[in-house]
Amino acid sequence: QVHLVQSGAEVKNPGASVKVSCKASGYTFTAYFIHWVRQAPGQGLEWMGWINPNSGGTNYAQNFQGRVTMTRDTSTSTVYMELTRLTSDDTAIYFCARDGYKDALVWFDPWGQGTSLTVSS
Amino acid sequence: EIVMTQSPATVSVSPGERATLSCRASQSVMTNLAWYQQRPGQAPRLLIYGASTRATGIPARFSGSGSGTEFTLTISSLQSEDFAVYYCQQYEKWPPWTFGQGTKVEIK
Repeated sequence: QVHLVQSGAEVKNPGASVKVSCKASGYTFTAYFIHWVRQAPGQGLEWMGWINPNSGGTNYAQNFQGRVTMTRDTSTSTVYMELTRLTSDDTAIYFCARDGYKDALVWFDPWGQGTSLTVSS
Repeated sequence: EIVMTQSPATVSVSPGERATLSCRASQSVMTNLAWYQQRPGQAPRLLIYGASTRATGIPARFSGSGSGTEFTLTISSLQSEDFAVYYCQQYEKWPPWTFGQGTKVEIK
């Protein structure tokens, strides 16, 4: 069974950075893109970017360019999302999600359980 | 960027009744549309892809239809576990992948 398990909740000060992990299991890690999506409190879903676990290639949403970095460790089937220069607007739940089709970019399935980030002084 | 607009924002339905949710795209997405369910405190779950194909394990009471710019998610005979927020998402033209703002299905 495919599972994505994310790291735990984080509390950060404004200006700091956060690195969230997403460990995959139950499938060939390098065969599917992984996306990151965030959800601010009471709000909708915002796509942040994707990483190709095979090549390490990435594509980031314009809103996050220059502040987000996605990486992967194929030895542990884990992807990471680092967000820098945090502000209170970054307070949200961050989800990783596997792409729904091998070697393609389509819908998202499944999703990780989410990681809560609170940015506050 | 393709803008996805869902309506209504909230729909009140009695258990056992039907709910009809709408999603409109600002330009054609063909049938490259997915629907997700998000229960409180949980991650989104894929219900429908390709506008009308149910994902693995999704009950037959969930059905999707539409193409181009107009889409519908129908939940026939609502069960207690179906009260949640539903999002549509286009994957025709990316980046970015874009979602609607969500429709909350609440108990009447």
